Amino acid sequence: SQTIHQWPATLVQPVGSPLSLECTVEGTSNPNLYWYRQAAGRGLQLLFYSVGIGQISSEVPQNLSASRPQDRQFILSSKKLLLSDSGFYLCAWSVRLGGASPLHFGNGTRLTVT
Amino acid sequence: DAKTTQPPSMDCAEGRAANLPCNHSTISGNEYVYWYRQIHSQGPQYIIHGLKNNETNEMASLIITEDRKSSTLILPHATLRDTAVYYCIVRVEGYSGGGADGLTFGKGTHLIIQP
Repeated sequence: SQTIHQWPATLVQPVGSPLSLECTVEGTSNPNLYWYRQAAGRGLQLLFYSVGIGQISSEVPQNLSASRPQDRQFILSSKKLLLSDSGFYLCAWSVRLGGASPLHFGNGTRLTVT
Repeated sequence: DAKTTQPPSMDCAEGRAANLPCNHSTISGNEYVYWYRQIHSQGPQYIIHGLKNNETNEMASLIITEDRKSSTLILPHATLRDTAVYYCIVRVEGYSGGGADGLTFGKGTHLIIQP
């Protein structure tokens, strides 16, 4: 069966520091991969998605970037964190794009920027 | 995308069936009904989805009305671990260039399973 791993589970970082969150998927090949942010009391915001190695689409202009160095690895990065980057970051995967294919989420990383 | 309406909270006794309603009166013919749940501090967990027909898997059953304007998620034998916020959403079938388009969570239903 397929599994998705995210780490770390929690992270506290000072303003201006760099960020690297990693996500890996097991048990499937060529998945579509996604990064979401869930702010407190608000819904999910799609940040990036990827349909293949090296292919990244950005949904929202921001202080973050994403990379996909391997088929089942997705990384979320920032060179300098802002206070507004605090939130709950979720990685997800799906077989296909679009509503016919469910998204499966990891357990998330709770980031606090101080 | 169509919007959904869910009751803010529900209680259910442990061992009984939990029936969670959802209204999606403006749903389009090519939009799927999805259910996710989220336990505090965890990622959303996919439960089930359907287009027109009723669906069942190892977690739950999804009953969609004939006019597709509403649906019910059924957890057949609720346990304490089913306490969570349940989200009903609709997603367009095809890919319209927006990545995981349509995956917009509202406030959901906070289901509390009582011992």
